[in-house]
Amino acid sequence: AQSVTQLDSHVSVSEGTPVLLRCNYSSSYSPSLFWYVQHPNKGLQLLLKYTSAATLVKGINGFEAEFKKSETSFHLTKPSAHMSDAAEYFCVVPQGSSNTGKLIFGQGTTLQVKP
Amino acid sequence: KAGVTQTPRYLIKTRGQQVTLSCSPISGHRSVSWYQQTPGQGLQFLFEYFSETQRNKGNFPGRFSGRQFSNSRSEMNVSTLELGDSALYLCASSLDDMGGYGYTFGSGTRLTVV
Repeated sequence: AQSVTQLDSHVSVSEGTPVLLRCNYSSSYSPSLFWYVQHPNKGLQLLLKYTSAATLVKGINGFEAEFKKSETSFHLTKPSAHMSDAAEYFCVVPQGSSNTGKLIFGQGTTLQVKP
Repeated sequence: KAGVTQTPRYLIKTRGQQVTLSCSPISGHRSVSWYQQTPGQGLQFLFEYFSETQRNKGNFPGRFSGRQFSNSRSEMNVSTLELGDSALYLCASSLDDMGGYGYTFGSGTRLTVV
C-alpha cells in the first residue's frame, strides 16, 4: 500500500531564508506524487506534481521538489521564503497505480514565516 | 475557467439531523472525490464517483453517502449527524487521466454539528 510520511509537523523560517519541507513515501512501484498547500480556512491548492518524467519538478510560487527513488523522498524546497508562504503543506500520493480517485495525505507540515 | 465549486460554504446542523453538500467540478472533469478534514484525523477519503458510479469508498459508516449526476455534479449526504461529523468537507475533481494530472479542490464546506 502507498503511504507518505511528512517528517516535520512544524517548520519555522525567517522571511528570505530557504524552505525545506520533508516527505518520504512508501510504494511498491514508482508513484505519482503531489504537494498541496492549504491556507487558513481555504481549500487545497496544487503546488506541483511528479509523474515519472523529470525528477526535479518545478511548481508555482517558486517551489520545487526532487523525486529521489534511492531515498524514497520527495522534499519540497523554496530558495527564499515569503510571508505569504505561511500555510499548511501536504505531501500526497494516489492509492494504486491507476486513477482511483483516492489520495493518501501526509499529516501535514505547518510552515511559519517570521518577519 | 471556473474552479471546483462547493456549496454551501458554512453549515450549522443539530445532532440527529441530516445534511446534503454539493460539489460542481471543473467543466470536463468526470471524476469527483470527497474528503473529510478534521484536526485529529487529518484528511480522509470518503468516496469517489466517475460517470455516476461510485468507484471507490473510504472507511466511513453508511451514514455517509453520495451520488453523481449526469452533468458530473456530485452531492454527499450525511444522515443522523453526530458531533464528530463536524469537519471541513472537501471535494476534488479530476480529468481521470491515468497519467496523474492531479486533483483540483474546492474551498470546502465547513460543517458544524451542535
